[in-house]
Amino acid sequence: LAKTTQPISMDSYEGQEVNITCSHNNIATNDYITWYQQFPSQGPRFIIQGYKTKVTNEVASLFIPADRKSSTLSLPRVSLSDTAVYYCLVGFSGGYNKLIFGAGTRLAVHP
Amino acid sequence: DADVTQTPRNRITKTGKRIMLECSQTKGHDRMYWYRQDPGLGLRLIYYSFDVKDINKGEISDGYSVSRQAQAKFSLSLESAIPNQTALYFCATSDFRLAGGPEQFFGPGTRLTVL
Repeated sequence: LAKTTQPISMDSYEGQEVNITCSHNNIATNDYITWYQQFPSQGPRFIIQGYKTKVTNEVASLFIPADRKSSTLSLPRVSLSDTAVYYCLVGFSGGYNKLIFGAGTRLAVHP
Repeated sequence: DADVTQTPRNRITKTGKRIMLECSQTKGHDRMYWYRQDPGLGLRLIYYSFDVKDINKGEISDGYSVSRQAQAKFSLSLESAIPNQTALYFCATSDFRLAGGPEQFFGPGTRLTVL
């Protein structure tokens, strides 16, 4: 079972780059790594997904080392609106009962 | 996401009552899910469905049942609600046709309180 470990909370300031690392030592060969963002009283929203190396989209980058036992979500130049909980999710299309949302990382962005 | 709707948005009920939470989606996705979230915790999967005839238990299915009435509708029932089922419930959908681990689209949530 691919359990994930993330820091409980992080603080940052507007304009800074934020890196959130997730550990997933038991990741399986077919597992993808997905990050979600959740604002209070809203459902999680997909940010980015990757399998290996680096993935970048318009809002974030995802860095995955060769052993895939960890991953780092990078948010460039955060703003106050990036204050949210960020979840690292490991799983694959064939085994949804193995999808686990951990407690997530609560990111607070300060002025 | 307006493409995934949940009703009701808030519900207060009493112990022992039967409750049904409904989820509808207009995204045309095959796969639907029910999660619960407790304060300060992540989401836990209750049930998931790959299509109308395929329903599977998730991590915490005890005390819950589901019905997939159509591709677009997936209902969660609490046959006899108890206070520790007080939580925020989310419905989600994903597209079978996407490669790799699919992106899930979440509804706005239903806040359920069992007294």
